[in-house]
Amino acid sequence: AQSVTQLDSQVPVFEEAPVELRCNYSSSVSVYLFWYVQYPNQGLQLLLKYLSGSTLVKGINGFEAEFNKSQTSFHLRKPSVHISDTAEYFCAVSVFRGSQGNLIFGKGTKLSVKP
Amino acid sequence: ETGVTQTPRHLVMGMTNKKSLKCEQHLGHNAMYWYKQSAKKPLELMFVYSLEERVENNSVPSRFSPECPNSSHLFLHLHTLQPEDSALYLCASSRGDLGNEQFFGPGTRLTVL
Repeated sequence: AQSVTQLDSQVPVFEEAPVELRCNYSSSVSVYLFWYVQYPNQGLQLLLKYLSGSTLVKGINGFEAEFNKSQTSFHLRKPSVHISDTAEYFCAVSVFRGSQGNLIFGKGTKLSVKP
Repeated sequence: ETGVTQTPRHLVMGMTNKKSLKCEQHLGHNAMYWYKQSAKKPLELMFVYSLEERVENNSVPSRFSPECPNSSHLFLHLHTLQPEDSALYLCASSRGDLGNEQFFGPGTRLTVL
């Protein structure tokens, strides 16, 4: 069965510093991977996704993620964070159930950017 | 017009009340989802509808009753809820294929007194 693990529940970082949010998945089949962001009092918004092709995926707001099949990881990175990046970040894997594609989410990582 | 809208944004109800949450998508998607997001708990998938047919019910108590009258609208009917049902309820939609992202609404913040 597929699952997603986000190892860090909270990541504090100073403004303009680099950040990496970790995500590991388990799956016996090919996977499609996603990162979503949730700002306070809002729904989830897609940051980026990996379906196939280049293992380095670029998303919105300067974020990128690298798919590593051997390490079953899909870590999210940003070279320089802003205060506005303070939010909760969710990693997800797409699974196929019956005729329907669903998402399995990790528990989320709260990124706190301090001045 | 945002892709997925939810009403109301906030709801306070007593344990004996009956209320409904509404979700509407304007993206032409054929799959819709209800999620529950509680503090300190992972996002929980509650129900999945594909082409207006319920395809998944993740052991949700019967006090939550979903309804999908057409591919653009999804409801969650609530009755005799418990205080532990207080949470953010998120609706999402997608094309339903493997690998398609889900688009989320802003959620309804529910408080059960």
